[in-house]
Amino acid sequence: AQSVAQPEDQVNVAEGNPLTVKCTYSVSGNPYLFWYVQYPNRGLQFLLKYITGDNLVKGSYGFEAEFNKSQTSFHLKKPSALVSDSALYFCAVRDEGYSTLTFGKGTMLLVSP
Amino acid sequence: GAVVSQHPSRVICKSGTSVKIECRSLDFQATTMFWYRQFPKQSLMLMATSNEGSKATYEQGVEKDKFLINHASLTLSTLTVTSAHPEDSSFYICSAELGTSGRVTDTQYFGPGTRLTVL
Repeated sequence: AQSVAQPEDQVNVAEGNPLTVKCTYSVSGNPYLFWYVQYPNRGLQFLLKYITGDNLVKGSYGFEAEFNKSQTSFHLKKPSALVSDSALYFCAVRDEGYSTLTFGKGTMLLVSP
Repeated sequence: GAVVSQHPSRVICKSGTSVKIECRSLDFQATTMFWYRQFPKQSLMLMATSNEGSKATYEQGVEKDKFLINHASLTLSTLTVTSAHPEDSSFYICSAELGTSGRVTDTQYFGPGTRLTVL
């Protein structure tokens, strides 16, 4: 079985400050991890994914995520938040034996001016 | 690249009618497409996996006779909500998988969603 946990319903950060959105996962095999962002009444936009290789993955819009196998985590980060980053962020995992993605419940990021 | 469209973006219908939602991959071919349902302030719930040229695979608890899925080409999948009722009101999102190999590393790209309201 595969599962994802996003422990925070909401993250608040001031513009210009670094941000972190947390994600932990559980799989039986090798994990393939994804981050998506959703703006109100819109579909999901792909940000980045980890397949193999470097633990630090760089993605769209200045976002990056760090894969930590020992802590089974894949936290999303950005060095300097923008107000326009305010949105709903989803972490997703796919076990190597599964054909479908499992999503976390989402974390709302609010960046204040 | 990797753009997925959905049509319509919003639909309001009367109870008992059927509604068809189209999902198209605009700049790539997708052997596999997925249909999700999202309730307010909640995560995505996978409804079914749609494979081109074959029957869709439905998740447990999803009525296949109510949610008809057709994947007739490598760029088009349709979801038809038959005999819609108010409880079917929701945000429906499709995704298309970039790549025809069906690898678990393939990325899903999502459409903008369709807001269905059944009166």
